[in-house]
Amino acid sequence: GDSVTQTEGLVTLTKGLPVMLNCTYQTTYSPFLFWYVQHLNEAPKLLLKSSTDNKRTEHQGFYATLHKSSSSFHLQKSSVQLSDSALYFCALSETNTGKLTFGDGTVLTVKP
Amino acid sequence: EAAVTQSPRNKVAVTGGKVTLSCNQTNNHNNMYWYRQDTGHGLRLIHYSYGAGSTEKGDIPDGYKASRPSQENFSLILELATPSQTSVYFCASGDAPGQGDNQAPLFGEGTRLSVL
Repeated sequence: GDSVTQTEGLVTLTKGLPVMLNCTYQTTYSPFLFWYVQHLNEAPKLLLKSSTDNKRTEHQGFYATLHKSSSSFHLQKSSVQLSDSALYFCALSETNTGKLTFGDGTVLTVKP
Repeated sequence: EAAVTQSPRNKVAVTGGKVTLSCNQTNNHNNMYWYRQDTGHGLRLIHYSYGAGSTEKGDIPDGYKASRPSQENFSLILELATPSQTSVYFCASGDAPGQGDNQAPLFGEGTRLSVL
């Protein structure tokens, strides 16, 4: 079945530094990838999505590029802010059902 | 505005009791989902549905039933609740990629369930 791997469980950074959160996936279908962000006691909210190979997608200062050759969709930001502290999930959708498979998530903590 | 509404938001149940979690969406989405979220496991799919009258097993369906009586409503039923089902439950609605404009499921605010 489909799977998503996020290698970092916890990332702690100082404000203003760049960040990259890793996401790799496995699927036999054409991939549709998402990044969701979840703040404490809130619902997960869509941050980015992509199904186009080698095309960068951006939102709220975050960006990611789907690379089908390496089955990756890493999330990046050039300068993190305190408000970016949250739980980040990478997710993979089956193109025929819309079923979403999530990675275990990465907690990003940004310090002053 | 697109919305997914869950009720109740918090629930305390006794072991062996029946629990029903409700979800309503006003987005006219075909697909609806139930996930549970536990520390260290991320979001795991319990049941999902393609439309009224349909339910499908997700990755962890044991101990749960689902019901989709209409396009708007999707319920999760715990017939005999156990402490291991203590968790936060999220409902979501969306369309499969290529089948609609909303190609990323929209989540409700969650239900915090404690089974004592």
